[in-house]
Amino acid sequence: IAGITQAPTSQILAAGRRMTLRCTQDMRHNAMYWYRQDLGLGLRLIHYSNTAGTTGKGEVPDGYSVSRANTDDFPLTLASAVPSQTSVYFCASSAEAGGPTDTQYFGPGTRLTVL
Amino acid sequence: GQNIDQPTEMTATEGAIVQINCTYQTSGFNGLFWYQQHAGEAPTFLSYNVLDGLEEKGRFSSFLSRSKGYSYLLLKELQMKDSASYLCAVRDSNYQLIWGAGTKLIIKP
Repeated sequence: IAGITQAPTSQILAAGRRMTLRCTQDMRHNAMYWYRQDLGLGLRLIHYSNTAGTTGKGEVPDGYSVSRANTDDFPLTLASAVPSQTSVYFCASSAEAGGPTDTQYFGPGTRLTVL
Repeated sequence: GQNIDQPTEMTATEGAIVQINCTYQTSGFNGLFWYQQHAGEAPTFLSYNVLDGLEEKGRFSSFLSRSKGYSYLLLKELQMKDSASYLCAVRDSNYQLIWGAGTKLIIKP
């Protein structure tokens, strides 16, 4: 593989269920990010990780958790899904958070519907 | 608060030139990015400006004025495949990206 992969591509989920969105990158990037994209709004940062073993909260972290056990993987978990979490979720990575060439590259996205 | 403003939608003709504006008010400034996003796809990186002036890359150019909190993306010789949303994002003092809602560009033959 080359770049960033996300799974699943799409999912319909009953409210109250637990769900983990997977993200894997093979570019050896240190920083990884989770965004949600909703119609009429800009991308909003949920959580980020500047390097393996560390995570931080973004603009809209409530209801979501992340872990970064290694460089390549950055899963996003919804502990108990609610309809307001219906969105398209994008994972992104960059070589070095805050560096002069800190350009983010995006995965293909996961379209999640919570009923 | 932090704010990025872009027009919601623009229409242009194939072969023409279009300018997409972006104004921003953020806590600090550490660069401005433009991304392209086709419907149903991921955003892809187009350009990066951190100093005032024009950056040219083929048919696409991006301009920045930090004193005015203003940028534009200029697309020349428009092609049908340029129909997409164009996202403006500013890296703030915490090195987080603040995103505009995007400008949907419709190209007509």
